[in-house]
Amino acid sequence: AQSVTQLDSHVSVSEGTPVLLRCNYSSSYSPSLFWYVQHPNKGLQLLLKYTSAATLVKGINGFEAEFKKSETSFHLTKPSAHMSDAAEYFCVVSRVFDMRFGAGTRLTVKP
Amino acid sequence: DVKVTQSSRYLVKRTGEKVFLECVQDMDHENMFWYRQDPGLGLRLIYFSYDVKMKEKGDIPEGYSVSREKKERFSLILESASTNQTSMYLCASSRGTAGDQPQHFGDGTRLSIL
Repeated sequence: AQSVTQLDSHVSVSEGTPVLLRCNYSSSYSPSLFWYVQHPNKGLQLLLKYTSAATLVKGINGFEAEFKKSETSFHLTKPSAHMSDAAEYFCVVSRVFDMRFGAGTRLTVKP
Repeated sequence: DVKVTQSSRYLVKRTGEKVFLECVQDMDHENMFWYRQDPGLGLRLIYFSYDVKMKEKGDIPEGYSVSREKKERFSLILESASTNQTSMYLCASSRGTAGDQPQHFGDGTRLSIL
């Protein structure tokens, strides 16, 4: 069985400061891991994915995530938040047809 | 560019009606999925299909059925709509079977059952 926990339901940062969205996962296998972003009234858009290559994964819009097997974590970071980053973010663990979504983290960016 | 299109952005139906939600993808993907999204619960899988005419139940299939007669089209059917099926419905598609390929999502259908 697989599961994913997003440790914060809401994160608020000021524009220009770093972003950290935390994700822990549980899997009996070597899973694939994804981060998606959802803007209001839109579907989910892929930010980045980890599939057992490099542990530091770079995505779109300056986001990156580090896979830490010993900590079963896949935290999402960005050095400097932009107003357009305000959205909901989902961490996903996947293997074959079993894809599990976290409950989501809402990111607010203050001017 | 990759495109998943859901036929309606907003839909209002009455209790007991039969409701059809349509989804079309233009990427020749083998797999298609239907999710519902509710605040605080993330996305929950209703049904998925890995080939034409094939379907598998997800985590919450009760009250729903699906149809996949053509590779590019995946329909979700609410047999007799109830108020607890008011939700955002998201369709997605993906390639392959290993789970290492990302899903591509439509913009969603916000369904209200009165």
